[in-house]
Amino acid sequence: GEDVEQSLFLSVREGDSSVINCTYTDSSSTYLYWYKQEPGAGLQLLTYIFSNMDMKQDQRLTVLLNKKDKHLSLRIADTQTGDSAIYFCAETFDRGSTLGRLYFGRGTQLTVWP
Amino acid sequence: ETGVTQTPRHLVMGMTNKKSLKCEQHLGHNAMYWYKQSAKKPLELMFVYNFKEQTENNSVPSRFSPECPNSSHLFLHLHTLQPEDSALYLCASSQDRSSGSFNEQFFGPGTRLTVL
Repeated sequence: GEDVEQSLFLSVREGDSSVINCTYTDSSSTYLYWYKQEPGAGLQLLTYIFSNMDMKQDQRLTVLLNKKDKHLSLRIADTQTGDSAIYFCAETFDRGSTLGRLYFGRGTQLTVWP
Repeated sequence: ETGVTQTPRHLVMGMTNKKSLKCEQHLGHNAMYWYKQSAKKPLELMFVYNFKEQTENNSVPSRFSPECPNSSHLFLHLHTLQPEDSALYLCASSQDRSSGSFNEQFFGPGTRLTVL
């Protein structure tokens, strides 16, 4: 199946690191994504990782992928109040009619306290 | 205008009304999507259009009727909706569905729909 699971809430203090976790069920996923949704806005692609990689770093963001456990995480270093948003994990598959289709988790609401 | 725009941003309608949501993308993409975002549920893909052809309809009730007159515009026509249809309706676009499985979708800000 294409179930993507995330915890719903995370609260951190400004300056700390945030780690948002995601698990998925289908081992044939090709790309895994993190989208960010700020209040009153649509989703915006934050970063992504190809399924044959296990880590990707982009400035304050680190994505870790454990294919064996079907676990994806997003670490935000030095979290700022502007990082408060909903973070969605998503995956795509490279097969037939689902080509390119994104399967989303429910989103994790990250709250950063000053 | 840049990116993906949606109008109106907010809509309140009665169950007997007919209304339409509009989406426009200025990115030169060929694939467009309608999603429904409601509380406590994963983002639900409703419809997909690729090169103006509908390629997916995920068991969406007929009271939702999409229209894609060209690759830049997408409409969602609403008729005799139910209160449970109240949600944020998001439009997205991407390059196209045949360019490989990597699929960066660009989202509009959504229309917040309330059905009374």
